Amino acid sequence: KAGVTQTPRYLIKTRGQQVTLSCSPISGHRSVSWYQQTPGQGLQFLFEYFSETQRNKGNFPGRFSGRQFSNSRSEMNVSTLELGDSALYLCASSLEAGNYGYTFGSGTRLTVV
Amino acid sequence: AQSVTQLGSHVSVSEGALVLLRCNYSSSVPPYLFWYVQYPNQGLQLLLKYTSAATLVKGINGFEAEFKKSETSFHLTKPSAHMSDAAEYFCAVSDRAQAGTALIFGKGTTLSVSS
Repeated sequence: KAGVTQTPRYLIKTRGQQVTLSCSPISGHRSVSWYQQTPGQGLQFLFEYFSETQRNKGNFPGRFSGRQFSNSRSEMNVSTLELGDSALYLCASSLEAGNYGYTFGSGTRLTVV
Repeated sequence: AQSVTQLGSHVSVSEGALVLLRCNYSSSVPPYLFWYVQYPNQGLQLLLKYTSAATLVKGINGFEAEFKKSETSFHLTKPSAHMSDAAEYFCAVSDRAQAGTALIFGKGTTLSVSS
């Protein structure tokens, strides 16, 4: 079956712009989580959605937001981009609440110039 | 708060040698524990996970890890390294008591394998 699909794979944006990243989970998975990976901070949790509801949120500023649609696809948005937002953004999906068989996508590499 | 410490940011072994990647966690209750591998320009692939069944967990590609509560450790091992094992490895923990809890990752260990 298809894995977790993230689009686009690569993105270059200018400071001050906004960006939207997309994640399509494995068919049947209802939980979607987002992580930011940078060389300095490592892997950090952004937020998790389950059945269109945000269940948990990491320690990121309000410029970072997300949502989940009824088909479980998820988007995350970053507004007013800063140079420090350059990172690999990873999406992970899981079957249901409490099931920790997370499957990660290949990520979106965002570069802010 | 939960945390994960991976000892050694870089481990080098020869092909055929034992691989040992160290992970210690901090948690008030026994957590779920995971090892993930990341190849360049790719996402994370789950190697194995501990969810309170057997303390010795076998994963993919010949890897295994042992949960030791007394040592709060979950070290990853492989008896014989292969060139294809060269990658970055991440240990992660989550709170079993709370649905939706995030994975807390260690800083990662880069494994190099020489011929």
